[in-house]
Amino acid sequence: AQSVTQPDIHITVSEGASLELRCNYSYGATPYLFWYVQSPGQGLQLLLKYFSGDTLVQGIKGFEAEFKRSQSSFNLRKPSVHWSDAAEYFCAVLYSSASKIIFGSGTRLSIRP
Amino acid sequence: DTGVSQDPRHKITKRGQNVTFRCDPISEHNRLYWYRQTLGQGPEFLTYFQNEAQLEKSRLLSDRFSAERPKGSFSTLEIQRTEQGDSAMYLCASSTPDRGGNYGYTFGSGTRLTVV
Repeated sequence: AQSVTQPDIHITVSEGASLELRCNYSYGATPYLFWYVQSPGQGLQLLLKYFSGDTLVQGIKGFEAEFKRSQSSFNLRKPSVHWSDAAEYFCAVLYSSASKIIFGSGTRLSIRP
Repeated sequence: DTGVSQDPRHKITKRGQNVTFRCDPISEHNRLYWYRQTLGQGPEFLTYFQNEAQLEKSRLLSDRFSAERPKGSFSTLEIQRTEQGDSAMYLCASSTPDRGGNYGYTFGSGTRLTVV
């Protein structure tokens, strides 16, 4: 079945430290990949997306993600986190043969002062 | 472009009552989606429309749930005879026709339903 796995339920990093959130998707043809962020009680905001081309994509708020087809991964990174980055992060995938985005279960990011 | 609007933001209802939520998508987006999100989980797909046609429904959408999108504009999601297990955030999203388009889905802020 088509699925998205985010192996880390909760991550805590110090402010100013680097961040990497992991995401793996099940095999499928031509996946479109997304990262969304959600603050408590809010909807989802698109951070970045990958459709094709350069496998390193830049997003908003200083985030980037790298698509690695050989590893079926699309990890999210940020070189230096800010306290305002504390939120829930969702990786999502859309397969060309499907009609809807499938979400992972999310990773909650906490920032240590 | 005012984004995707959902109304109400919060709804508290007694078990057994019916509730209806509304979603106004971005005007040029043909596709409209409903997702449900429970605490600590990612959003789960419920149903989607292309224009006024409801093209897919999840098995999560029991016969107590019904969604409409008259004239391909706004959409409503109705839950009849609510149960405590229906308590969740209901998210609406819209997109361009191209399988999410160049911008991915645009989500509304959601409707938080609490069934007491």
